Amino acid sequence: GQNIDQPTEMTATEGAIVQINCTYQTSGFNGLFWYQQHAGEAPTFLSYNVLDGLEEKGRFSSFLSRSKGYSYLLLKELQMKDSASYLCAVSYPGGYNKLIFGAGTRLAVHP
Amino acid sequence: DAGVTQSPTHLIKTRGQQVTLRCSPKSGHDTVSWYQQALGQGPQFIFQYYEEEERQRGNFPDRFSGHQFPNYSSELNVNALLLGDSALYLCASRGTNFYTFGSGTRLTVV
Repeated sequence: GQNIDQPTEMTATEGAIVQINCTYQTSGFNGLFWYQQHAGEAPTFLSYNVLDGLEEKGRFSSFLSRSKGYSYLLLKELQMKDSASYLCAVSYPGGYNKLIFGAGTRLAVHP
Repeated sequence: DAGVTQSPTHLIKTRGQQVTLRCSPKSGHDTVSWYQQALGQGPQFIFQYYEEEERQRGNFPDRFSGHQFPNYSSELNVNALLLGDSALYLCASRGTNFYTFGSGTRLTVV
């Protein structure tokens, strides 16, 4: 299988830092994506990791360890608008790189 | 530059009916994937189209079928609708590194 596990819900305070973890099965792994999805809206691309290490993009950073089948999304200086679901998705080969999603982590940011 | 567009945005159907959902990919994208997203869940992969052929398929019954046209647009057809088919149906087109999603079609089966 291609089980992708991430916490169901998290809460954090405005201005704080939060880390959302994701684990996946490593066989045939091709790359890992993070998407943000506000309620009732389309998922929007946040980051893509294919090599080990940290990718930083403004307030958001994403880390990948291929050998451990582990990734995290780090959100700094949290804002109320960051309240959303965060989807971890893994790309597996097979010719066309289908994207398999985890169930998502609902993040609630409080004042 | 328009992103991925889907139609209709909302749809209500009766059990047993058939439905067709439409998707126009982002300009320059030639690969289209369809996903089903139940409330509170992550998107579930239905199938993927490239060069007008179904290339990969998820764990969905044959009631779910699709088509891709020469202009890369795509349709998702669902026959013999069940109450459990009620969900948000997302279309995504693939660029160089990542997929861009449309806003989805909210299907309600009553």
